[in-house]
Amino acid sequence: EPEVTQTPSHQVTQMGQEVILRCVPISNHLYFYWYRQILGQKVEFLVSFYNNEISEKSEIFDDQFSVERPDGSNFTLKIRSTKLEDSAMYFCASPGGDRAAFFGQGTRLTVV
Amino acid sequence: AQTVTQSQPEMSVQEAETVTLSCTYDTSESDYYLFWYKQPPSRQMILVIRQEAYKQQNATENRFSVNFQKAAKSFSLKISDSQLGDAAMYFCAYRMGGAQKLVFGQGTRLTINP
Repeated sequence: EPEVTQTPSHQVTQMGQEVILRCVPISNHLYFYWYRQILGQKVEFLVSFYNNEISEKSEIFDDQFSVERPDGSNFTLKIRSTKLEDSAMYFCASPGGDRAAFFGQGTRLTVV
Repeated sequence: AQTVTQSQPEMSVQEAETVTLSCTYDTSESDYYLFWYKQPPSRQMILVIRQEAYKQQNATENRFSVNFQKAAKSFSLKISDSQLGDAAMYFCAYRMGGAQKLVFGQGTRLTINP
C-alpha cells in the first residue's frame, strides 16, 4: 500500500496554543485530505486540498483551522488556538486507485 | 446528505470461524464507491476492500469479501477463517462519485476469541 507519512505521532499542547501537524502524501499527488477522529468516535472529514487550494471543507473546519503547502512535498494542518475539544487523532490521506484514500499513521493531539 | 450506519457496535467470533459485519448507507446518487477500513490498536486506518456501485460482482480480497445489495443499500463485510490479527475496529465508508470526501460509519469493534 502506498505510504503517507505524518509527524509528529503524538503532540501535547496547552489550551490556546497553536499547533502544526505535518504530512507527506503519496508523491506527485495534487490532492490530499485531513480527517479527524475524536477518541471512541467515527472518523470525520475536515478538508480536501487540491493544487494549493481548498476544494472542499466540512463545518468542523472553521476559522481556527488552516491548511498549507509550505513546500513541494509537505502539507500542514494548523490549529490557531487549540481547545480541549480539539483533542483527537488527525489523519492525512492521499487518493488511491478506485477512489479509495490511503491514510497516514495519524497524529494524536492532546490539548491540556 | 449521505449517511452510513453500522448497527453493530461490537462483534466477536471464534478464531477460524466466519463473521459478517453489517453496514447500510443512505444516498440518492447512482455513482458512488464503498469501502471497509480496519483500525487496529495502533489507530492507523488500513483499507481492507472497496466496491464500485456500478459493479454487480461482489469484491473479494483473500479472506475478505463483501455482500453488496444496491437496492437495499447494504454493504456487509464477511471475514472468513478469522485470525487473531483481524481484531480491530472496522469502519464502513461511502464516497460519492466525483466528490473527494469519505463519509464513515460509527465503526464495529471486532474481537477474535482464541
